[in-house]
Amino acid sequence: AQSVTQLDSHVSVSEGTPVLLRCNYSSSYSPSLFWYVQHPNKGLQLLLKYTSAATLVKGINGFEAEFKKSETSFHLTKPSAHMSDAAEYFCVVSDGVSGGYNKLIFGAGTRLAVHP
Amino acid sequence: EADIYQTPRYLVIGTGKKITLECSQTMGHDKMYWYQQDPGMELHLIHYSYGVNSTEKGDLSSESTVSRIRTEHFPLTLESARPSHTSQYLCASRTAGGDPNTEAFFGQGTRLTVV
Repeated sequence: AQSVTQLDSHVSVSEGTPVLLRCNYSSSYSPSLFWYVQHPNKGLQLLLKYTSAATLVKGINGFEAEFKKSETSFHLTKPSAHMSDAAEYFCVVSDGVSGGYNKLIFGAGTRLAVHP
Repeated sequence: EADIYQTPRYLVIGTGKKITLECSQTMGHDKMYWYQQDPGMELHLIHYSYGVNSTEKGDLSSESTVSRIRTEHFPLTLESARPSHTSQYLCASRTAGGDPNTEAFFGQGTRLTVV
């Protein structure tokens, strides 16, 4: 069965410093992985997705993530944090293979705080 | 901007009332989902649908029910609201087919408070 573990429930950084949000997954298949961001009182927005085309995935707002099969990880990074990056971030794995149902399985989320 | 809409955004209602949370999408997606999310917590799938007249219960048991009479519409109903139903409810949709790479699009959520 597929599962996702976000290793930090809260991350706090200073504006202008790098961001690292950690995610490990468990999957019986070659996984599809996503990062979503949720700003307060807003819906979830897709940041980026991994679909096996390239291990380093670039997303919106300067975020990127690297798929490491040997470590079963899909950590999210950004070189320089901005105040507007403060939000909740969810790592998500798609359950199943082509032709299957493909439910989305969410991690518990990481709350990112950015300080001036 | 995703074309998926939820109404109402906020709802405060008394115990025992019947409520329906609306979700509509204009993208022609066959797959639709309802998630429940408590503040600061992860999302739990409570209902999903493959398409018209198809509904299934999700991973988290819920007293709510859903219907899918039209592709674009996936309402969630609570026959008798209780304080334990207080939560945020998020609706999502996704293209059909078996491709696991397709992302889901989310509405802005309905924050329900039962008093």
